[in-house]
Amino acid sequence: QKEVEQDPGPLSVPEGAIVSLNCTYSNSAFQYFMWYRQYSRKGPELLMYTYSSGNKEDGRFTAQVDKSSKYISLFIRDSQPSDSATYLCASSRDSWGKLQFGAGTQVVVTP
Amino acid sequence: DAGVTQSPTHLIKTRGQQVTLRCSPKSGHDTVSWYQQALGQGPQFIFQYYEEEERQRGNFPDRFSGHQFPNYSSELNVNALLLGDSALYLCASSLESGSWDTQYFGPGTRLTVL
Repeated sequence: QKEVEQDPGPLSVPEGAIVSLNCTYSNSAFQYFMWYRQYSRKGPELLMYTYSSGNKEDGRFTAQVDKSSKYISLFIRDSQPSDSATYLCASSRDSWGKLQFGAGTQVVVTP
Repeated sequence: DAGVTQSPTHLIKTRGQQVTLRCSPKSGHDTVSWYQQALGQGPQFIFQYYEEEERQRGNFPDRFSGHQFPNYSSELNVNALLLGDSALYLCASSLESGSWDTQYFGPGTRLTVL
């Protein structure tokens, strides 16, 4: 079993809709949770970073972590065609070292 | 600030050959991590270097080795290439004293093994 599970999609939504992305993890020691965006043939770009449980909002993006259910989510409001990319969740036990990534979810926002 | 740079951009090798990939960290960063990303998969951690020492290693065979230089740049070496080594190799740099929001990824080197 992978430590971080993520549905690969693709997930297709119309422009302006809310995009909802989810991951589950199995390692109770994970304390740090990230969401990255990766465009085709590019490196991942950090979108959201959360320590422990709770919600974090940044513009159109909201990240949620529920450690009791080992569930992490990313919501993108008012989605734009430029949001079309692969979204990767990642977790770590420490503030350094190994990041454990999910497989990534491909998102397509259609005009 | 050029950010994290990697070279070469693309590379084609044949089975059994050896390859060296290079990474220059973002200005001011002292820690370098390497990841392997197979097509359609998330990145897999290979190892991390700090102060020219391998600080942590993922589940990769000894064919994968690395080095960090005094200027914090880094190399990833892969010996006896296998078809399954075909992937995007990502370098990430960060501050040892910082947290995950100081880590930046480079654009990657795409390795094809024939």
